[in-house]
Amino acid sequence: GENVEQHPSTLSVQEGDSAVIKCTYSDSASNYFPWYKQELGKRPQLIIDIRSNVGEKKDQRIAVTLNKTAKHFSLHITETQPEDSAVYFCAARPNDYKLSFGAGTTVTVRA
Amino acid sequence: NAGVTQTPKFQVLKTGQSMTLQCAQDMNHNSMYWYRQDPGMGLRLIYYSASEGTTDKGEVPNGYNVSRLNKREFSLRLESAAPSQTSVYFCASSSNGDEQYFGPGTRLTVT
Repeated sequence: GENVEQHPSTLSVQEGDSAVIKCTYSDSASNYFPWYKQELGKRPQLIIDIRSNVGEKKDQRIAVTLNKTAKHFSLHITETQPEDSAVYFCAARPNDYKLSFGAGTTVTVRA
Repeated sequence: NAGVTQTPKFQVLKTGQSMTLQCAQDMNHNSMYWYRQDPGMGLRLIYYSASEGTTDKGEVPNGYNVSRLNKREFSLRLESAAPSQTSVYFCASSSNGDEQYFGPGTRLTVT
């Protein structure tokens, strides 16, 4: 099955700086790569996603890049704010219905 | 719309007891999922139902059973609870296999 590895497991950044989270996947058939944000005690929520026919996608302060050849994708958060503090999960979809998730990155934005 | 709802929110069981976690969605989604979330391990898929009338195993199905009761409802049953099943359980649904919408979660403790 699909194996998704996510790094780092924790990330502390100064407010206003950028944060980058990287994920690798194993199944070359994976074609959809979402990122979820989970605030403490809350449910995961989709923040951005990218398909295998696109190399980069941006939405305001967040962006995702995909390198299919190397089988890795990254989340970039610019101008971090305290409300960006959360756990972020990457995922890859190896078939039409199932997602395989990374282990998560706990991001802390220091004021 | 309530989105995805789960009951109960919290549950404590003794080893060997059984229980059913309930999940319902009002978004007319075809696919539904059950995950467990443990510290440092991300979201692991237990079972999923791609469409009404079908169910399939995920990564960690042992010790669980599911029922897709109708298009709205997808239940997860623990026949004989074990301490290793202490976790937070999330139900999710999706219309086309892309964005998954999560319920609020059930925190289960097995003593």
